Amino acid sequence: DAGVIQSPRHEVTEMGQEVTLRCKPISGHDYLFWYRQTMMRGLELLIYFNNNVPIDDSGMPEDRFSAKMPNASFSTLKIQPSEPRDSAVYFCASNDRSRRTIYFGEGSWLTVV
Amino acid sequence: GIQVEQSPPDLILQEGANSTLRCNFSDSVNNLQWFHQNPWGQLINLFYIPSGTKQNGRLSATTVATERYSLLYISSSQTTDSGVYFCAVTSNFGNEKLTFGTGTRLTIIP
Repeated sequence: DAGVIQSPRHEVTEMGQEVTLRCKPISGHDYLFWYRQTMMRGLELLIYFNNNVPIDDSGMPEDRFSAKMPNASFSTLKIQPSEPRDSAVYFCASNDRSRRTIYFGEGSWLTVV
Repeated sequence: GIQVEQSPPDLILQEGANSTLRCNFSDSVNNLQWFHQNPWGQLINLFYIPSGTKQNGRLSATTVATERYSLLYISSSQTTDSGVYFCAVTSNFGNEKLTFGTGTRLTIIP
């Protein structure tokens, strides 16, 4: 299996621009998670989906962030407008609830200048 | 929400040494996993261990759920073991929300 695939791997954008991060989970996994990692706050769960339905979005920082999962093989995380404080590594992860083990993508390194 | 504390925050060892990393959690859990984040930022799942003991090569883990802690043992450390080790848990209260600890940064010196 190819694992969880994220794109882009690196993005540098200007403040105010829209950012779209993409994720393809492992085939057959029914849970998908978006995490953010910063030095100050560590790894934080932003939102997770079960069978393409958002279950818990309490970690989404504010209305500038939105996430969708239109089908079982694709999810997006959008930030509009972006701000310098959004600079972080954004991880997508997926798991199969019957096994509970969670697998992470390689992350999208976002810098907002 | 559930609190996860890891100790020590930093650990520097010579190659070949053994180490024990600890994870304490504040509530009953039905899911506990250990991860290694390598120097390139990749997060690799090491163990799914909500209770009991597991071993994988030089690594082993033990979770004592009734006392709310887990231990990760690394024997005969190698430089490739360097990185940050995270413990993550899901509480017993229904959902799949995995909460991460702050990690232990391990540096193995040749």
